[in-house]
Amino acid sequence: EAEVAQSPRYKITEKSQAVAFWCDPISGHATLYWYRQILGQGPELLVQFQDESVVDDSQLPKDRFSAERLKGVDSTLKIQPAELGDSAMYLCASSHDRGRDTGELFFGEGSRLTVL
Amino acid sequence: AQSVTQLGSHVSVSEGALVLLRCNYSSSVPPYLFWYVQYPNQGLQLLLKYTSAATLVKGINGFEAEFKKSETSFHLTKPSAHMSDAAEYFCAPNQGGKLIFGQGTELSVKP
Repeated sequence: EAEVAQSPRYKITEKSQAVAFWCDPISGHATLYWYRQILGQGPELLVQFQDESVVDDSQLPKDRFSAERLKGVDSTLKIQPAELGDSAMYLCASSHDRGRDTGELFFGEGSRLTVL
Repeated sequence: AQSVTQLGSHVSVSEGALVLLRCNYSSSVPPYLFWYVQYPNQGLQLLLKYTSAATLVKGINGFEAEFKKSETSFHLTKPSAHMSDAAEYFCAPNQGGKLIFGQGTELSVKP
């Protein structure tokens, strides 16, 4: 069964360092999402891509976060510099429904970040 | 903007008992609603979704949910809880292809 791949699964870093997460969506899925989930809370959307274009990045803290999906396939989410409050699970999801309300999102296992 | 309220951040049931996880949405237009489950340190998995075809929706692992427009609710139920159902459950409307998650409900199952 096709899955959304994410790496690394766990990352420990010190504040002010740079960190990057990678996501490979299910083949053929045009829409890719990055969510952040703080412990004890629901996931919050950071950025949504349609192919290589950003559809929504209104909740992305652009002073320190960046995301790209250069060829419309895999994607990288970067944080620089990392802050203590960035400790969270970063979830990648993909969908083949091109932004329709009925579309199911398929999630990866996530990348857990701990900032010391 | 659509949003959901999940009543009860933590629900505990005995094995074999009825599971009821509550979700109320706020919108004048019925949204498309999803229930996802998250096991510890894992991603989210779709349980079921309402897309207006039928008000009673059956999902995986014996779960089902009923969409009630008059009550703006989409509660998740399972007749008999199993130990493996212990997890975090999220109700979420889909708004323009984006899932808007609530706070979640943690389900504990006691032997």
